[in-house]
Amino acid sequence: EPEVTQTPSHQVTQMGQEVILRCVPISNHLYFYWYRQILGQKVEFLVSFYNNEISEKSEIFDDQFSVERPDGSNFTLKIRSTKLEDSAMYFCASSGARGAYEQYFGPGTRLTVT
Amino acid sequence: LAKTTQPVSMDSYEGQEVNITCSHNNIATNDYITWYQQFPSQGPRFIIQGYKTKVTNEVASLFIPADRKSSTLSLPRVSLSDTAVYYCLVGDTGRRALTFGSGTRLQVQP
Repeated sequence: EPEVTQTPSHQVTQMGQEVILRCVPISNHLYFYWYRQILGQKVEFLVSFYNNEISEKSEIFDDQFSVERPDGSNFTLKIRSTKLEDSAMYFCASSGARGAYEQYFGPGTRLTVT
Repeated sequence: LAKTTQPVSMDSYEGQEVNITCSHNNIATNDYITWYQQFPSQGPRFIIQGYKTKVTNEVASLFIPADRKSSTLSLPRVSLSDTAVYYCLVGDTGRRALTFGSGTRLQVQP
């Protein structure tokens, strides 16, 4: 069964550093997403991406965040200058042309900012 | 977005059927009802989606009454591995940002 993969599984970084989280969505999917979940809290939507551009973003997704699909398979989330409050699990997801609510999530990257 | 209300937690034993009900009184005509499951330290997993009446797949059944103001996720014969948080989401599938609530924490005991 195809699945979304994410690397690294755990990233530790110092405050102010840039991090790039990587995702490989399911190959025939067209829509890509990033979510985050702070420990003990709800899963929060960050951004959706379609046709090489952002289609929707939340208030969390400010100028410190950016997304890119550098090639035909990878989808990345960059945080330019990390803050302590960016510590969370970051989940990548993808979905097909129909069934936007049927999204397939990756295993997540645990980001720890010290 | 339709507001959803579901139990904070539920307990069950292995082999029992578990029914988790979600209330969504202000559901809109175009809204679908979708359920996700999340294990600790993992991403949410799509379980089932429906619009009305009953939907069944290999994992669960989803019952939606005619007024669509609530829905019930039914898990037949749960096992310890069904211990997870279950989320009810209601929205227009044309909108792609999923909004997760706090979900229902299901604990299955031997």
